[in-house]
Amino acid sequence: GQQVMQIPQYQHVQEGEDFTTYCNSSTTLSNIQWYKQRPGGHPVFLIQLVKSGEVKKQKRLTFQFGEAKKNSSLHITATQTTDVGTYFCAGPGTASKLTFGTGTRLQVTL
Amino acid sequence: NAGVTQTPKFRILKIGQSMTLQCTQDMNHNYMYWYRQDPGMGLKLIYYSVGAGITDKGEVPNGYNVSRSTTEDFPLRLELAAPSQTSVYFCASSYSGEGYTDTQYFGPGTRLTVL
Repeated sequence: GQQVMQIPQYQHVQEGEDFTTYCNSSTTLSNIQWYKQRPGGHPVFLIQLVKSGEVKKQKRLTFQFGEAKKNSSLHITATQTTDVGTYFCAGPGTASKLTFGTGTRLQVTL
Repeated sequence: NAGVTQTPKFRILKIGQSMTLQCTQDMNHNYMYWYRQDPGMGLKLIYYSVGAGITDKGEVPNGYNVSRSTTEDFPLRLELAAPSQTSVYFCASSYSGEGYTDTQYFGPGTRLTVL
């Protein structure tokens, strides 16, 4: 079945450093979604990318969808402690379900 | 709109006990989902429903049952609790259809411990 892997599993950065997480699907995706889960919280939708090569920005967050629509990345510029959490990518699977990636946990220290 | 609500927030069960996790959404979404998330891990789909009266198994359905009698409610039943079911349970909903997958809205979760 469809698999969605993310790397790294965990990253610890100093505040102000940049951070990137990569998402790779075993199948071509019609779109990709990104979610953020704060510690002790629930996943919250961030953004959806649909077009091949699409790039979208949300303040310090930059999302890219690969040309082949099998991979995606999330880059955070100048991390802040508010960026702490786990970032999940998710792609459509069968029966309009989402297959969530394995997640990347980000820790930011001062 | 309250979005997706779940009760209870926390629960401790003894092995062999049963319980129902409640989930309600007020967004008129047709799809609803139950996930479990073990500590430090990702989301695993337990069951999902594409509309009232229709449910289907996800990745890890064993030990659970669901029903969907209304658009709004999607309860998850644990019949004989086991320590392996200690987890955080999230309910989610979305408006999806054939070939179309919208964003999922998650409830705050139920933290379940089975001792």
